[in-house]
Amino acid sequence: SYELTQPPSVSVSPGQTASITCSGNKLGDKYACWYQQKPGQSPVVVIYQNSKRPSGIPERFSGSNSGNTATLTISGTQAMDEADYYCQAWDSSTNVFGTGTKVTVL
Amino acid sequence: EVQLVESGGGLVQPGRSLRLSCAASGFTFDDYAMHWVRQAPGKGLEWVSGISWNSGNIGYADSVKGRFTISRDNAKNSLYLQMNSLRAEDTALYYCAKDIYGDYGFGDNWFDPWGQGTLVTVSS
Repeated sequence: SYELTQPPSVSVSPGQTASITCSGNKLGDKYACWYQQKPGQSPVVVIYQNSKRPSGIPERFSGSNSGNTATLTISGTQAMDEADYYCQAWDSSTNVFGTGTKVTVL
Repeated sequence: EVQLVESGGGLVQPGRSLRLSCAASGFTFDDYAMHWVRQAPGKGLEWVSGISWNSGNIGYADSVKGRFTISRDNAKNSLYLQMNSLRAEDTALYYCAKDIYGDYGFGDNWFDPWGQGTLVTVSS
């Protein structure tokens, strides 16, 4: 079965850039999206179709996808960005989520 | 406002059954595919099942195939998940989520919004 691997944790200082990777076989040939989940809340999409931002999502969130890796970048990270982040892709009509990354803003 | 409200969770013994429901409002329910996603306590997200707008396309994760059945009633704006032969590893918060398209599997589907979830605990 298809697997998406993320680093368990990423730490970033306020105002700095956080990069979260999502690795999967030929992931660049698929669409990736990213969800943010804060404690006790349901996931919310922050990036879809590799690099598009839904309305209401701040410009500091951006995405890319190439080769075997999709990347979510948070520029000028704020304390409110502290959350778990999950990538998502489809493989043969089966949805797959990444293992998840906890972003800590120190 | 789009709303998804799950219900039907609870404590159930291993091997027993449970039926989850998701009541949808604020959008044209029969225009969209719907999904169930679960999250075990302290763990990540796992897609469980999806169903297209007209129930013509249905899929399951390998972990639940043959035990769970997804269905929908467009007249009642409701999504269901019948869970049989429950196991301890099925313990999780079960979310209902709306797809952005009427069908899924195209590769660029994503989920928005998600409900608040209903907790299923499988234990003797």
